[in-house]
Amino acid sequence: GENVEQHPSTLSVQEGDSAVIKCTYSDSASNYFPWYKQELGKRPQLIIDIRSNVGEKKDQRIAVTLNKTAKHFSLHITETQPEDSAVYFCAAIRSAGNMLTFGGGTRLMVKP
Amino acid sequence: DAGITQSPRHKVTETGTPVTLRCHQTENHRYMYWYRQDPGHGLRLIHYSYGVKDTDKGEVSDGYSVSRSKTEDFLLTLESATSSQTSVYFCAITRGGNEQYFGPGTRLTVT
Repeated sequence: GENVEQHPSTLSVQEGDSAVIKCTYSDSASNYFPWYKQELGKRPQLIIDIRSNVGEKKDQRIAVTLNKTAKHFSLHITETQPEDSAVYFCAAIRSAGNMLTFGGGTRLMVKP
Repeated sequence: DAGITQSPRHKVTETGTPVTLRCHQTENHRYMYWYRQDPGHGLRLIHYSYGVKDTDKGEVSDGYSVSRSKTEDFLLTLESATSSQTSVYFCAITRGGNEQYFGPGTRLTVT
């Protein structure tokens, strides 16, 4: 089955700096890669996603890049703000059944 | 909130008792999922459903069963709860292709 590794597990940045979270996946047939943000005690919220036919996608301060050859994808957050502090999860969908496999999560702390 | 509710939101139960968690959706989506979330493990798929009476196992299905007799309801049952099943359980639906949206979660404690 699919295996998704996520790094780092914790990340601390100063407000205004950029943050990068990286994930690798094992199943070359995976074709959809979402990112979720989860605040303490809340549900995971989809913040951005990318499909395998696209190399990069941006939405305001967040962007995701995908390297299919190397089987890795990354989340980039620019001009970080304290409200970006949360746990972020990457995921990859398996080739059948719409089953997402999640990475272990990254706790991002943005210091004012 | 993608029209997803979960009940109960919190439950404490004793080892060996049966427990059923309910996920309810109002938007007639075909795919529904049950995940558990534990520190250090992220979210792991327990079971999923691709239609009424159509279900399949995820990566951590042992000790769990599911049923879907109506499109809007997906039930997760722990036949005999164990302490290792203490977790936060999230239901999810797929909307518009691959995008999955999560319910508010159920915190289950097995003592």
